[in-house]
Amino acid sequence: NAGVTQTPKFQVLKTGQSMTLQCAQDMNHEYMSWYRQDPGMGLRLIHYSVGAGITDQGEVPNGYNVSRSTTEDFPLRLLSAAPSQTSVYFCASSSFSGPPGGQPQHFGDGTRLSIL
Amino acid sequence: GNSVTQMEGPVTLSEEAFLTINCTYTATGYPSLFWYVQYPGEGLQLLLKATKADDKGSNKGFEATYRKETTSFHLEKGSVQVSDSAVYFCALPMTTDSWGKFQFGAGTQVVVTP
Repeated sequence: NAGVTQTPKFQVLKTGQSMTLQCAQDMNHEYMSWYRQDPGMGLRLIHYSVGAGITDQGEVPNGYNVSRSTTEDFPLRLLSAAPSQTSVYFCASSSFSGPPGGQPQHFGDGTRLSIL
Repeated sequence: GNSVTQMEGPVTLSEEAFLTINCTYTATGYPSLFWYVQYPGEGLQLLLKATKADDKGSNKGFEATYRKETTSFHLEKGSVQVSDSAVYFCALPMTTDSWGKFQFGAGTQVVVTP
């Protein structure tokens, strides 16, 4: 019972490098999203997707790119890493069943990213 | 959009003590309300939810009641254990028509000592 799987679990980058954080879910959820978690700030939405081929920006999208070619996968790309992007990144998914906002999100275990 | 405010931590308790974590919200309409828990090194897990006013969500000894009149959704547990040490997040949808966009509180760290 995998749920939401994120890879890698840890990563250290140098400023200016690029990388892709992977996220996959096996629950056939339509909705997927990326959050970053910083101390004292809770979770902030970076990008989200309501289905394959459809993505949109959240609260803090600058410096990140996403695409969704399949229902299962939703990778997050850092285009040119900056120290301000040091954070813990969480991918989440949820279904569209029931009333809007009624379904909880299912989270992966996170990717801990450090930018030097 | 909707917003949520929860009490700051850390909250330090002895085992078997009573726990309350305050959460208040501002929202258009009556959205579902959620509590999530995050154990060290893990992602968030749904702890409980309530979908309408006066609903009580409960799980693992935790309870929270959807209070429309005070716009609150406080989390309570009567007797905490060391294993309850975690960070707790209150959350609600960002808008009344958003399926998967959620607003999270800043999180409250709870430390339970033996």
